[in-house]
Amino acid sequence: AQSVTQLDSHVSVSEGTPVLLRCNYSSSYSPSLFWYVQHPNKGLQLLLKYTSAATLVKGINGFEAEFKKSETSFHLTKPSAHMSDAAEYFCVVSDKGGGADGLTFGKGTHLIIQP
Amino acid sequence: DGGITQSPKYLFRKEGQNVTLSCEQNLNHDAMYWYRQDPGQGLRLIYYSQIVNDFQKGDIAEGYSVSREKKESFPLTVTSAQKNPTAFYLCASSPRTGAAVTSQYFGPGTRLLVL
Repeated sequence: AQSVTQLDSHVSVSEGTPVLLRCNYSSSYSPSLFWYVQHPNKGLQLLLKYTSAATLVKGINGFEAEFKKSETSFHLTKPSAHMSDAAEYFCVVSDKGGGADGLTFGKGTHLIIQP
Repeated sequence: DGGITQSPKYLFRKEGQNVTLSCEQNLNHDAMYWYRQDPGQGLRLIYYSQIVNDFQKGDIAEGYSVSREKKESFPLTVTSAQKNPTAFYLCASSPRTGAAVTSQYFGPGTRLLVL
């Protein structure tokens, strides 16, 4: 069985300061991990994914995430927040080869950017 | 432009009425999915289809039905048996399932409201 926990339901940072969104997972197999972003009333957009290659994954819009097996974590970071980063972020785990029913979504972290 | 389209953007349902949400993709993807999103609960899988004329129940299939007569189309019907249909519905697709891990591509969503 697999599960994913996003440790913060809301995160608030000031524009220009670093962003850290935390995600822990559990998996019986070698997992694949994803971060998606959702702007209000929109679909989800893939930010980045880890699929057993490099543990530090770079994504779009300056985001990156590091896979730490010993800590079962896949935290999302960005050095400097921008107002356009305000959105809902989902951490997703898959240990069934990414197959049709293989994705488990976290409950989301709402990122607020203060001017 | 390749992508996934969902219609309508907003849909209103009366008591005892069945309604159908449209999902079309021109990405030539084999697999398609329907998710339900409720505030603070992330995404939950309703149904998925790996190939034309085949589909499987997800975690919360009760009160919903689907069809997959064409590769490009995966409509979702919310039946009168679904007692709490108010939610944001997201359709997604992916190139293949099984051994290879792939990302899912999401449509813009349909918000269903009960009158």
